Amino acid sequence: GQQLNQSPQSMFIQEGEDVSMNCTSSSIFNTWLWYKQDPGEGPVLLIALYKAGELTSNGRLTAQFGITRKDSFLNISASIPSDVGIYFCAGLNYGGSQGNLIFGKGTKLSVKP
Amino acid sequence: NAGVTQTPKFQVLKTGQSMTLQCAQDMNHEYMSWYRQDPGMGLRLIHYSVGAGITDQGEVPNGYNVSRSTTEDFPLRLLSAAPSQTSVYFCASSYARGSFGYTFGSGTRLTVV
Repeated sequence: GQQLNQSPQSMFIQEGEDVSMNCTSSSIFNTWLWYKQDPGEGPVLLIALYKAGELTSNGRLTAQFGITRKDSFLNISASIPSDVGIYFCAGLNYGGSQGNLIFGKGTKLSVKP
Repeated sequence: NAGVTQTPKFQVLKTGQSMTLQCAQDMNHEYMSWYRQDPGMGLRLIHYSVGAGITDQGEVPNGYNVSRSTTEDFPLRLLSAAPSQTSVYFCASSYARGSFGYTFGSGTRLTVV
């Protein structure tokens, strides 16, 4: 089946630093999504990307849909303590037997004040 | 304004016991799904439903049963629990299959001893 490779697995950064994480796939997706999971909670959608090459921002978060449709990147600028959590990428294709989200394994972010 | 409600929040089972994890949504979403989250594995799809009376298997369906008699409810049944089913289980719903706007419940942490 389809697999997403997300890296890095974990990050330990100082408050105020910028963060970058990425996700790659062996196959193409029509939509790339980025979720954040706080401890003890379910994932919450941060950004959705619909078009190859698209660059979308949500506050301090910026995500890009790779031109090959096989990858996506998430950047967090000027990190703060509440950015702590697990970030998941997810890919989605429409139609046929597809239409279910495929998740990466997550990037665990720790921020030192 | 409840969104997706999962019960119980925590559960300990003995090997061989059966139980049902409950999931209910009040958003009139057609699509509902169950994921399990294991350390370092991300979220893996167990079963999903595209509407009342229609269910299908995901990536890791073995040992789990589902049914969907109403739009609101999508219970997950473990017929004979095994230690390998120790995990955190998340229910998610969306307007329709292939719709990215998944709303997740807060999860059920299950331990099988």
